[in-house]
Amino acid sequence: DVKVTQSSRYLVKRTGEKVFLECVQDMDHENMFWYRQDPGLGLRLIYFSYDVKMKEKGDIPEGYSVSREKKERFSLILESASTNQTSMYLCASSLAPLELGPDTQYFGPGTRLTVL
Amino acid sequence: EDKVVQSPLSLVVHEGDTVTLNCSYEVTNFRSLLWYKQEKKAPTFLFMLTSSGIEKKSGRLSSILDKKELSSILNITATQTGDSAIYLCAVEAREGGSEKLVFGKGTKLTVNP
Repeated sequence: DVKVTQSSRYLVKRTGEKVFLECVQDMDHENMFWYRQDPGLGLRLIYFSYDVKMKEKGDIPEGYSVSREKKERFSLILESASTNQTSMYLCASSLAPLELGPDTQYFGPGTRLTVL
Repeated sequence: EDKVVQSPLSLVVHEGDTVTLNCSYEVTNFRSLLWYKQEKKAPTFLFMLTSSGIEKKSGRLSSILDKKELSSILNITATQTGDSAIYLCAVEAREGGSEKLVFGKGTKLTVNP
């Protein structure tokens, strides 16, 4: 059974705080993704990783960084949280190498982050 | 098994032409349909569609969903060489306790000057 877990379902932080969102998958997937989902905007890709220690920017990387030290774990970091980063954050993973084309992505349950 | 089928698989047009890309789907627990443009390794988001008959528009691109026909189209008017890319359709569905995003194989669009 596919399993992508995220460290928190709900988080409330203050402006300027450093925020860590963790994602773990147990499917030995190559690729991991961080998205944010806002009403009416769909999923927007923040960063993705296609291998350990490899990362690439997505559509909206500003204000975020990521870390992938182990294959199963992909962390999203907000160095200094701002109110416009209040959103639902979704982690996903997929198996096939990206250069072969798109593959089904499996999502975690999401983290609802509120920045006050 | 959930599936998303796009047509045509590839398309070559001249600048200024209008193109229509098709996406049909069979999924259980449909949540939404998304269109992406893929130029590098990961797709970049274009549109999300959840309701039938409501057109989403962004510049020369527009898209509409038909839930009765289980399909969507993406239109690009007055194409430019910069529109050359693979256009992906994906459907969000629910599987067990988690969400999944099922991608079609894409339509490769080449716009020649």
